[in-house]
Amino acid sequence: KQEVTQIPAALSVPEGENLVLNCSFTDSAIYNLQWFRQDPGKGLTSLLLIQSSQREQTSGRLNASLDKSSGRSTLYIAASQPGDSATYLCAAYNFNKFYFGSGTKLNVKP
Amino acid sequence: EAQVTQNPRYLITVTGKKLTVTCSQNMNHEYMSWYRQDPGLGLRQIYYSMNVEVTDKGDVPEGYKVSRKEKRNFPLILESPSPNQTSLYFCASRRQGTGGGAKNIQYFGAGTRLSVL
Repeated sequence: KQEVTQIPAALSVPEGENLVLNCSFTDSAIYNLQWFRQDPGKGLTSLLLIQSSQREQTSGRLNASLDKSSGRSTLYIAASQPGDSATYLCAAYNFNKFYFGSGTKLNVKP
Repeated sequence: EAQVTQNPRYLITVTGKKLTVTCSQNMNHEYMSWYRQDPGLGLRQIYYSMNVEVTDKGDVPEGYKVSRKEKRNFPLILESPSPNQTSLYFCASRRQGTGGGAKNIQYFGAGTRLSVL
């Protein structure tokens, strides 16, 4: 069974810092990996999706990478802002099912 | 506007009283799914549906039922709720098929917070 782990569970940084969130998965036979953002009391918003054949995807200040062989994905956030404060989750998709990590709670201090 | 709509948003009920949480999407997506989110455990998939009349178990299906009679609707049914089903529930949908990019991202509803007393 796929296990997805996110480290760290929480992160607090000053505004303007570049930061990296980590996601690891145990079964490399994934079809894709998706990063989400969750704000308190809200649903999940998709940030980036990386297909298994891709190495990275970029959207604005966000860059996600995927290394299937090592079972790892990273989400890089450049020049962090207080508005980036949220919980970030990754999800691996294989065999028609989604497996989520428990998330990294990010706090960006002004 | 692309939307996944869940109702109700909040629900308090008692043990054993059957309830249904509705989910509807307006994007003509084939794939729909239900998750529960619990502190420290992340999101866990309950059931999913690849298309009309096609449903399958996720990781935590015990105590839940689903049906997919129409493409847009995917209700979650708790026949006899118990306190351990107190949780935050999310419905999601995505386009099903090969290929990638934005066409295959999952869209989530706003969530249903359920308390079973």
